[in-house]
Amino acid sequence: NAGVTQTPKFQVLKTGQSMTLQCAQDMNHNSMYWYRQDPGMGLRLIYYSASEGTTDKGEVPNGYNVSRLNKREFSLRLESAAPSQTSVYFCASRGWAEETQYFGPGTRLLVL
Amino acid sequence: SQQGEEDPQALSIQEGENATMNCSYKTSINNLQWYRQNSGRGLVHLILIRSNEREKHSGRLRVTLDTSKKSSSLLITASRAADTASYFCATAQATGANNLFFGTGTRLTVIP
Repeated sequence: NAGVTQTPKFQVLKTGQSMTLQCAQDMNHNSMYWYRQDPGMGLRLIYYSASEGTTDKGEVPNGYNVSRLNKREFSLRLESAAPSQTSVYFCASRGWAEETQYFGPGTRLLVL
Repeated sequence: SQQGEEDPQALSIQEGENATMNCSYKTSINNLQWYRQNSGRGLVHLILIRSNEREKHSGRLRVTLDTSKKSSSLLITASRAADTASYFCATAQATGANNLFFGTGTRLTVIP
């Protein structure tokens, strides 16, 4: 099993450009999450999807949209990137009745 | 913010020594988890302790939880150079969605 995969690994954007970060898991997990990690801030939850067909805002949702395409895939979209969105983005998943989360390798995003 | 705080922010020890890091949080919890992050990688789950537990062991890891003080500690015994990483505590709240709130992390360096 590949676990949780993320693409791309690294991306540079100019202010105002848009992009979609992709995440997929092959563990048949119900719940999926998008976090951002900034220096000294730990991980902060952007959006989550408790199950296929549902999405909810986390702690820092402004400037982002998400799509739970199917049970495997959960994408994060930046419609108009801003320098404040420069960060490392992590996707995670969790199985039903499980309590731990499984993380992808991350996407490093630089917005100029 | 519902983020926890970790202490110290950075810790440097010699191989073979024990490493202790602490986590404080703000709300009632169902469980507290510790994750490890190697540089440039995603987070990996280490150990989970439930709110009705006071101490838990897993190999060289020992976790304690004091719900009255809203704090936890992670002890790594007989440290190895390979333990060099960042360590994060994460709490699952007692109410609401079963999301995790991460602390700010402790950067551990084990010197060979």
